[in-house]
Amino acid sequence: GAVVSQHPSWVICKSGTSVKIECRSLDFQATTMFWYRQFPKQSLMLMATSNEGSKATYEQGVEKDKFLINHASLTLSTLTVTSAHPEDSSFYICSASAGTGATGYTFGSGTRLTVV
Amino acid sequence: QKEVEQNSGPLSVPEGAIASLNCTYSDRGSQSFFWYRQYSGKSPELIMFIYSNGDKEDGRFTAQLNKASQYVSLLIRDSQPSDSATYLCAVTRGQAGTALIFGKGTTLSVSS
Repeated sequence: GAVVSQHPSWVICKSGTSVKIECRSLDFQATTMFWYRQFPKQSLMLMATSNEGSKATYEQGVEKDKFLINHASLTLSTLTVTSAHPEDSSFYICSASAGTGATGYTFGSGTRLTVV
Repeated sequence: QKEVEQNSGPLSVPEGAIASLNCTYSDRGSQSFFWYRQYSGKSPELIMFIYSNGDKEDGRFTAQLNKASQYVSLLIRDSQPSDSATYLCAVTRGQAGTALIFGKGTTLSVSS
């Protein structure tokens, strides 16, 4: 079946530094990638939607200059948390789709980010 | 504001009983509906999806959809302790392939 590899699975960084999270679709072309954030005991909150070769569309309240999303190819999308602060500590999950009309969503395994 | 509402629980059922999980959504444009199971610190696992009104059965699981009432449910028959987890309802923001919007999840506890 479809697999999305997400790395790193966990990362600890110092406040003010940047962290990059990668999601790779291993056996299909991910036309669309969705990025979610999940705080403890909360649900997955959609942060942004990115289509290959296009600028990401961010949800209301999500700072596009802080959460940089790149989807340069059909198999790789990245999320960079810039100038991370403790309040950015969360579980970040990507979800790939083969595009509008596709019936499946493949989730990455998630990245636990802790900013100290 | 497009929302997906779930009772957070916890929902406690004895082993072998039927667990009933409910979800309502606000966007009438949503066309695809999903149930995921999530364990703490892990990514969601797909349980079932449903597109058409009515029931869809898969083993011990039955998903029910009523678009007129904007209501989705998941029934788990013969509940097992291993079914204990958080169950997330998710709906598409429009047609299939568009972003999934998640509810806050219902925590299910099955006691042996």
